[in-house]
Amino acid sequence: AQSVAQPEDQVNVAEGNPLTVKCTYSVSGNPYLFWYVQYPNRGLQFLLKYITGDNLVKGSYGFEAEFNKSQTSFHLKKPSALVSDSALYFCAVRAPNTGGFKTIFGAGTRLFVKA
Amino acid sequence: DADVTQTPRNRITKTGKRIMLECSQTKGHDRMYWYRQDPGLGLRLIYYSFDVKDINKGEISDGYSVSRQAQAKFSLSLESAIPNQTALYFCATSDGTVQNTEAFFGQGTRLTVV
Repeated sequence: AQSVAQPEDQVNVAEGNPLTVKCTYSVSGNPYLFWYVQYPNRGLQFLLKYITGDNLVKGSYGFEAEFNKSQTSFHLKKPSALVSDSALYFCAVRAPNTGGFKTIFGAGTRLFVKA
Repeated sequence: DADVTQTPRNRITKTGKRIMLECSQTKGHDRMYWYRQDPGLGLRLIYYSFDVKDINKGEISDGYSVSRQAQAKFSLSLESAIPNQTALYFCATSDGTVQNTEAFFGQGTRLTVV
């Protein structure tokens, strides 16, 4: 069965420091992996995705994520955090050839960036 | 204007009442979804629709029903609301012609059942 784990409920980082939000997954075959961000009182916004190819994926707002097949991980990273990055982040996984509806979301990780 | 619009944004209703949440989109996508968000549980799929004539149950469909009135409109109904349906509800769309496409979400409807 498909599953996504975000092991940290909350990540705290100082502004200017690098940040990492962790995600591990379990799915058959080669998955499609996504990161979304949710700001207060807003819907989820797409950040980036891994489909195939280069394991390092770059996305919006300076975020990037590294796909590691052997560790079944897709950690979200940013070299220098901003206070405005404070939000709720969701990792999602979709098995290929499932019609697009079987997207499983993680429980979310709340990121706090302190000035 | 938002690509995916949900109404109402906030709603308080009483136990046993019927309530409808509406979603409309201007993305031209054929696929639409209703999710529920609860703290610590992430998003869980309630119903999804691949086109007007194709509606499917998600993982937590009990107590909910949907209607796809047009390609652009997908509504969610709670036939008899109960307090544990208090949650944040999201509508989303995606392009069915692309397998690996991301989803586009509405701003959410915060529903409280008292």
